[in-house]
Amino acid sequence: DIQMTQSPSSLSASVGDRVSITCRASQSIRNYLNWYQQKSGKAPKLLIYGTSSLQSGVPSRFSGSGSGTDFTLTISSLQPEDFATYYCQQGYITDLYTFGQGTTLEIK
Amino acid sequence: QVQLQESGPGLVRPSETLSLTCTVSGASISINNYYWGWIRQPPGQGLEWIGSRYYSGSTYYNPSLKSRVTISVDPSKNQFSLKLRSVTAADTAVYYCARHVWDEQMFDHWGRGTLVIVSS
Repeated sequence: DIQMTQSPSSLSASVGDRVSITCRASQSIRNYLNWYQQKSGKAPKLLIYGTSSLQSGVPSRFSGSGSGTDFTLTISSLQPEDFATYYCQQGYITDLYTFGQGTTLEIK
Repeated sequence: QVQLQESGPGLVRPSETLSLTCTVSGASISINNYYWGWIRQPPGQGLEWIGSRYYSGSTYYNPSLKSRVTISVDPSKNQFSLKLRSVTAADTAVYYCARHVWDEQMFDHWGRGTLVIVSS
């Protein structure tokens, strides 16, 4: 299995802050890394695919970077609606897609 | 736009079979490059991929669930289904259906999810 480890597990920040969330894979996944946002009681929403491609309709303050085993989701200027839990997901192994454990972004 | 909606019992007894259906609207289930998948989330926990199936039959299952899972597709109804056999309390979760974009290996549209509780 490919293990996906996110850090931090939780993060407190203020509106307007720039924040970054890291996802590390236990082996190289090339650029098959996706990011999702999940708000309480809702389904996950795709934000970033292929490490850095912005899903249609997602604000440009979200961006992704990385390659191989280390990846980052960055929100350039936090908005009130961005407080949620974020998950990374690897798509490299086609018979075992795995997600990170999640990072909860809270209001400071 | 593409919409997915899960349906099925919210309560299943231990050792029985969990059965859910996902109805797709706004897109054909028989379109190239798209698989149709199930993902679950136990209360307060993270996401676990269950499996994905192409309309013409190719199927991938999570090895940890493979012996108990079947995903089927009904193109005539634009639906796909999940069956999970011999359930235990550990299978209690919110179950999501999702469209799985094969080229990018991403899940781009999700249903709202349905909570299934395994209890006697």
